[in-house]
Amino acid sequence: AQTVTQSQPEMSVQEAETVTLSCTYDTSESDYYLFWYKQPPSRQMILVIRQEAYKQQNATENRFSVNFQKAAKSFSLKISDSQLGDAAMYFCVQMDSNYQLIWGAGTKLIIKP
Amino acid sequence: DAGVTQSPTHLIKTRGQHVTLRCSPISGHKSVSWYQQVLGQGPQFIFQYYEKEERGRGNFPDRFSARQFPNYSSELNVNALLLGDSALYLCASSVIPRYEQYFGPGTRLTVT
Repeated sequence: AQTVTQSQPEMSVQEAETVTLSCTYDTSESDYYLFWYKQPPSRQMILVIRQEAYKQQNATENRFSVNFQKAAKSFSLKISDSQLGDAAMYFCVQMDSNYQLIWGAGTKLIIKP
Repeated sequence: DAGVTQSPTHLIKTRGQHVTLRCSPISGHKSVSWYQQVLGQGPQFIFQYYEKEERGRGNFPDRFSARQFPNYSSELNVNALLLGDSALYLCASSVIPRYEQYFGPGTRLTVT
């Protein structure tokens, strides 16, 4: 069975600093998609960033970027210039060959003012 | 443009009852997926529908069923509710199944 592992239940960072959230996954597929979603206390799940496995270039969306290491099956999220509004649960997600989403357990990100 | 909408927002039911949750996708999206999120955990996949046909089903009992209508909206039905069905139920839509999914605000179901 495919799994997604987030080993950090909780992370904290000072406002304006940089933080990296870790994720590893296990799949035998060669073509797949990876995502980071955030879920603020309001509970609305929001797409942060997407990475296609066939692309070597790491995806970037403004202050959010990923470090995708396909051979190591690692997919970390870096948040630069952290803001108070970044506080949320962050989920690492893999889309399998049936286009279904497999979720990690989440990392709670706390931003210290 | 309106995002994914779900109704109701909150729901309280008694064990053994039946519940219907509703979801309207983003305009132009033809695929809808349902997820169950128990407090403190990541979401678990329940169903995926595309063009009104079931495309995938997660590891949930037959008490859970769903359907998609011609306008691409969807219903999730749960029969014979158990206390363990208490969760946040999330609906997500995408243009087609392989594209990224956008989520609604969820329905909080409490079974007493």
